[in-house]
Amino acid sequence: DGGITQSPKYLFRKEGQNVTLSCEQNLNHDAMYWYRQDPGQGLRLIYYSQIVNDFQKGDIAEGYSVSREKKESFPLTVTSAQKNPTAFYLCASMGQGRNYGYTFGSGTRLTVV
Amino acid sequence: AQSVTQLDSQVPVFEEAPVELRCNYSSSVSVYLFWYVQYPNQGLQLLLKYLSGSTLVKGINGFEAEFNKSQTSFHLRKPSVHISDTAEYFCAVKGSNYKLTFGKGTLLTVNP
Repeated sequence: DGGITQSPKYLFRKEGQNVTLSCEQNLNHDAMYWYRQDPGQGLRLIYYSQIVNDFQKGDIAEGYSVSREKKESFPLTVTSAQKNPTAFYLCASMGQGRNYGYTFGSGTRLTVV
Repeated sequence: AQSVTQLDSQVPVFEEAPVELRCNYSSSVSVYLFWYVQYPNQGLQLLLKYLSGSTLVKGINGFEAEFNKSQTSFHLRKPSVHISDTAEYFCAVKGSNYKLTFGKGTLLTVNP
């Protein structure tokens, strides 16, 4: 079955560390997205990529970085510059035509310890 | 620019009662509309979507929504809810640059 896999499900980060969240899809979708979710704030877009080797900043890109070297993969790095990284992170990809719309992964909960 | 307003942040209902979750949108591009559901500590799952055609859209788990262009609304309804429908529901509209714009979500709590 096609879908999006995010790993790990839970991640703990010490102050000053960089951590990388994995997102892999086998849906053959061109576009992929990273969102951050905090209680009461809905979904906020961090970065998105519409094609391999290209990506754009979203609304809250500061303190984050991404890469898109393969169509299937869109990892997100939370750097030490991100002052409040504790949140639930969601990866999504966009279908086309009749399948237009996001497919989401199951999320990664990041906690700073 | 596109935007979505979910008029209720929380909706409590009793089991087997009907429910309506309200969503209003604004869009300057072709209107594609979506409802997603999120259970605790999980990703979002597509409930239903409107791309074109019939304005009454049926989705999974007995939910349906009606696209009303004149009122710029896409309200989600279910005639009889179950405890298992307790979750957060997000309305979304097609935005610019191949993205979706989401509302802030409505927490549906079904009480016995």
